[in-house]
Amino acid sequence: KAGVTQTPRYLIKTRGQQVTLSCSPISGHRSVSWYQQTPGQGLQFLFEYFSETQRNKGNFPGRFSGRQFSNSRSEMNVSTLELGDSALYLCASSFGLAGSSYEQYFGPGTRLTVT
Amino acid sequence: QKEVEQNSGPLSVPEGAIASLNCTYSDRVSQSFFWYRQYSGKSPELIMSIYSNGDKEDGRFTAQLNKASQYVSLLIRDSQPSDSATYLCAVSAPDLFGNEKLTFGTGTRLTIIP
Repeated sequence: KAGVTQTPRYLIKTRGQQVTLSCSPISGHRSVSWYQQTPGQGLQFLFEYFSETQRNKGNFPGRFSGRQFSNSRSEMNVSTLELGDSALYLCASSFGLAGSSYEQYFGPGTRLTVT
Repeated sequence: QKEVEQNSGPLSVPEGAIASLNCTYSDRVSQSFFWYRQYSGKSPELIMSIYSNGDKEDGRFTAQLNKASQYVSLLIRDSQPSDSATYLCAVSAPDLFGNEKLTFGTGTRLTIIP
């Protein structure tokens, strides 16, 4: 069974631009969660989507948004990029909601650099 | 108080010895606990999940859960240099709205010394 895939793997953007990241979950998984990982803050939860609905949200500004499609694929968008948005963005999928005992598997991540 | 706490390390263990990684959590109603391994420059990889008190063994790995004391640990027996990585503890707990959320610790960096 194929794992979680994320595209693109690397991205360089300029301050003020916007970016869209894509995630395809493991086949049969209905939940997709997004995380931001930086050396200083560790792994920070952005949001979780299940059946095309956002089920949970972390403490990030409204510039960070996402959506999920009927095939469970998910996209994350960051508008008006700031230098502090430079990070590894990780997508993880699980069969059910991530916090409810279902195991969550991570994709390889998208490394975003904002200059 | 952080929701999930881990000693950041680095924790250095001789090859062949037992590595012991600890994690404490603050929410008494937490029900699901996970250990992830993350190599430098890679994404986290799930290695263990545990849901009830006691020990759970999988190969060289043993997860231990004590809900009364609110800690979960990971033991790695016969440590190998390939075990050198950062180990993340993840705990589920309901947020203010009753939605279950997975919270990660900041991780413990483990180095196995040949």
